[in-house]
Amino acid sequence: ETGVTQTPRHLVMGMTNKKSLKCEQHLGHNAMYWYKQSAKKPLELMFVYNFKEQTENNSVPSRFSPECPNSSHLFLHLHTLQPEDSALYLCASSQEAVSGANVLTFGAGSRLTVL
Amino acid sequence: GQNIDQPTEMTATEGAIVQINCTYQTSGFNGLFWYQQHAGEAPTFLSYNVLDGLEEKGRFSSFLSRSKGYSYLLLKELQMKDSASYLCAVTDSNYQLIWGAGTKLIIKP
Repeated sequence: ETGVTQTPRHLVMGMTNKKSLKCEQHLGHNAMYWYKQSAKKPLELMFVYNFKEQTENNSVPSRFSPECPNSSHLFLHLHTLQPEDSALYLCASSQEAVSGANVLTFGAGSRLTVL
Repeated sequence: GQNIDQPTEMTATEGAIVQINCTYQTSGFNGLFWYQQHAGEAPTFLSYNVLDGLEEKGRFSSFLSRSKGYSYLLLKELQMKDSASYLCAVTDSNYQLIWGAGTKLIIKP
């Protein structure tokens, strides 16, 4: 049990579909993150929320839309995706967003395939 | 630009010792992390170094040299369950985490 739960674990969608990824953390953390993980590439930070406020948007295309209704939940809404968006999407949380010793707790990820 | 370099893949034998290197060029430094990621699972925190030297935690140790922009993760008495990817990451002066692409470690019996 990692304390960070992601659903669904696997998702296959067409380019015209709309779907959402969900992340929930039970650790009492104040910061939550979305990362994209592609094979043999470094983790790409997409969005950061600190105390429910978005503090980072790393030039992510608008077809990805995050939502953070409270400090425990984070969503990633997906629409009109491209095949190159196929990847593992990781959610993470930490005590706070700005800290040197900022240990992240990750979820197991949502494996997305765009057809 | 900012960059983290680590080998793509390494192979070692069960019971042996392996050292995974990580070199970095970043805008400032506020600490270096190692994470372990088994296939299909979440990355999990292994170690954090902010001062030079060796940090030992059971079979795993992590070393840092800030002047050389260099770290290594040392795994002793390798077990089959150590087969995983090992991710190196550095916190820069803006507290942004810069990640390496990871080192896939294969353990053979």
